[in-house]
Amino acid sequence: KAGVTQTPRYLIKTRGQQVTLSCSPISGHRSVSWYQQTPGQGLQFLFEYFSETQRNKGNFPGRFSGRQFSNSRSEMNVSTLELGDSALYLCASSLGPSGGGGETQYFGPGTRLLVL
Amino acid sequence: DAKTTQPPSMDCAEGRAANLPCNHSTISGNEYVYWYRQIHSQGPQYIIHGLKNNETNEMASLIITEDRKSSTLILPHATLRDTAVYYCIVRVVGTASKLTFGTGTRLQVTL
Repeated sequence: KAGVTQTPRYLIKTRGQQVTLSCSPISGHRSVSWYQQTPGQGLQFLFEYFSETQRNKGNFPGRFSGRQFSNSRSEMNVSTLELGDSALYLCASSLGPSGGGGETQYFGPGTRLLVL
Repeated sequence: DAKTTQPPSMDCAEGRAANLPCNHSTISGNEYVYWYRQIHSQGPQYIIHGLKNNETNEMASLIITEDRKSSTLILPHATLRDTAVYYCIVRVVGTASKLTFGTGTRLQVTL
């Protein structure tokens, strides 16, 4: 079974631009979460989508947004890029809420974004 | 979610067992213990998780103390490819599936 895929893998943008990152979950997984990883802040949760609905949101400004499509694929968008948005953006997928715990998340390789 | 405490770094000789401790003294009864690792700038890799019983899979074993306040991840025969940052995470059952990563333990496997 194919793992989580993320595109593009590398991206260079300039301040003020916007960017869209894509994530395709493992087949059959309906939940997609996004994380940002920087050297200073470590791995931080951005948001999670399940059945096209945002189920949870981290403490990030409104410039960070996301969506999920009916096939569970997800995109995240960052508008008005700032230098501090340079980071590794990770997507993780899981089966979704099961009520019994064990919603193991599997991560993709990430998209490395550099903002100049 | 409960907070975890891990040593910042550990060394292990190749071929020996690597025992990575994690303290989660405020864990609740409905929280699982998860372990992930991240090899330099790759996406975190799921290793194992458990609730209260010890668990073993093809990658590692997870030993959880009876009071559930601490756990140990065991890599039985460490190799150079196991050099990574290992994260211990506790997470509430059945809620939105946010993972809260700490700073982890940097395991260095040496010849």
